[in-house]
Amino acid sequence: DVKVTQSSRYLVKRTGEKVFLECVQDMDHENMFWYRQDPGLGLRLIYFSYDVKMKEKGDIPEGYSVSREKKERFSLILESASTNQTSMYLCASSTRGQATNEKLFFGSGTQLSVL
Amino acid sequence: KQEVTQIPAALSVPEGENLVLNCSFTDSAIYNLQWFRQDPGKGLTSLLLIQSSQREQTSGRLNASLDKSSGRSTLYIAASQPGDSATYLCAVKDSSASKIIFGSGTRLSIRP
Repeated sequence: DVKVTQSSRYLVKRTGEKVFLECVQDMDHENMFWYRQDPGLGLRLIYFSYDVKMKEKGDIPEGYSVSREKKERFSLILESASTNQTSMYLCASSTRGQATNEKLFFGSGTQLSVL
Repeated sequence: KQEVTQIPAALSVPEGENLVLNCSFTDSAIYNLQWFRQDPGKGLTSLLLIQSSQREQTSGRLNASLDKSSGRSTLYIAASQPGDSATYLCAVKDSSASKIIFGSGTRLSIRP
């Protein structure tokens, strides 16, 4: 079974702190994604990566950056956390192959609270 | 622009009933459609993926169908159990923009 592991289930940070969310997958997937999920807004794509050192902006990249130095690891960085970044953050991965067969696998999520 | 809709937002049924969850999308140009389950405070668990050339997929008590021409997918759950209570989301991989677009989910509650 594919495993996508997010380093923390719950995080509480102060406004202005730099926050790192880590995600590791063990199935040699090329594609990795960061989403945030908020009540009433659904899942929104923040950033994604198709390969090591590659990154692409999603729909809501403002206030975030990412790092992919190794294939299995994709980090989301909040440069200066703000209260409106309080949310559930979800990491996902998929293999790059035939587009019709691309299947997303998710981690268990990190609930971030910024006070 | 592709939009994915799931109606109703919430559904409550007694245990043992067969039920159908709906997912509709506005653009039939898709690569695939995936159904997920999400328990409160947790991540998404993949249930079924239907490729654009397929009509349905089955896994245990779950059966998902896809009708691209009408922009609809259904998730059929047979003999529902309280453990099936969760939010169910569908997502389409749009071939025009090569993006994955999620519905907002249906919150399902199975009453014992």
